[in-house]
Amino acid sequence: DAGVIQSPRHEVTEMGQEVTLRCKPISGHNSLFWYRQTMMRGLELLIYFNNNVPIDDSGMPEDRFSAKMPNASFSTLKIQPSEPRDSAVYFCASTPGQPSYEQYFGPGTRLTVT
Amino acid sequence: AQSVTQLGSHVSVSEGALVLLRCNYSSSVPPYLFWYVQYPNQGLQLLLKYTTGATLVKGINGFEAEFKKSETSFHLTKPSAHMSDAAEYFCAVSFSGNTGKLIFGQGTTLQVKP
Repeated sequence: DAGVIQSPRHEVTEMGQEVTLRCKPISGHNSLFWYRQTMMRGLELLIYFNNNVPIDDSGMPEDRFSAKMPNASFSTLKIQPSEPRDSAVYFCASTPGQPSYEQYFGPGTRLTVT
Repeated sequence: AQSVTQLGSHVSVSEGALVLLRCNYSSSVPPYLFWYVQYPNQGLQLLLKYTTGATLVKGINGFEAEFKKSETSFHLTKPSAHMSDAAEYFCAVSFSGNTGKLIFGQGTTLQVKP
């Protein structure tokens, strides 16, 4: 298996632009997680899905952030409009659930908003 | 509610010395416990996990951890540090019946001095 795939790996954009991050989870995994990592705030859970349904989006910082999972093999995290404080590394992770719930992380997307 | 506390945001050891990274958890149900490692500019990678059974678990790269229920701890150890062990380490907790959400600690950066 190729593991969790994220694209793009790097994104540089200007403030006010729309940004879309993409994630392909490992085939057969039934839960998908979006995290944000910064030096100041560490690793934060933004939202997660179980069987393509959003379960907990309490970590989404603002209405500018939205996430979708239209099918079991694809998810997007969108920021519109982007701001410099959104600059971070965004990770996607998936898990098969039972029996151990270990999460498999993608390589991350490094977002820079200027 | 579940929580994880990692004692010490930075730990420095000499090459060849014992590595001890501390993790304490809080959980009202039997926990599943994990240690992840993150090398620079990479995603998180599972080092080891405890779900049930033997309380001393061995992971990759010579690391091991022991689940101590009475102390609510899951400390990570390695007998002899190697320069390649320099990374950030995260402890995390989950539980059976959860949809796979992990509660992460704040992370501990391990520095290995020659």
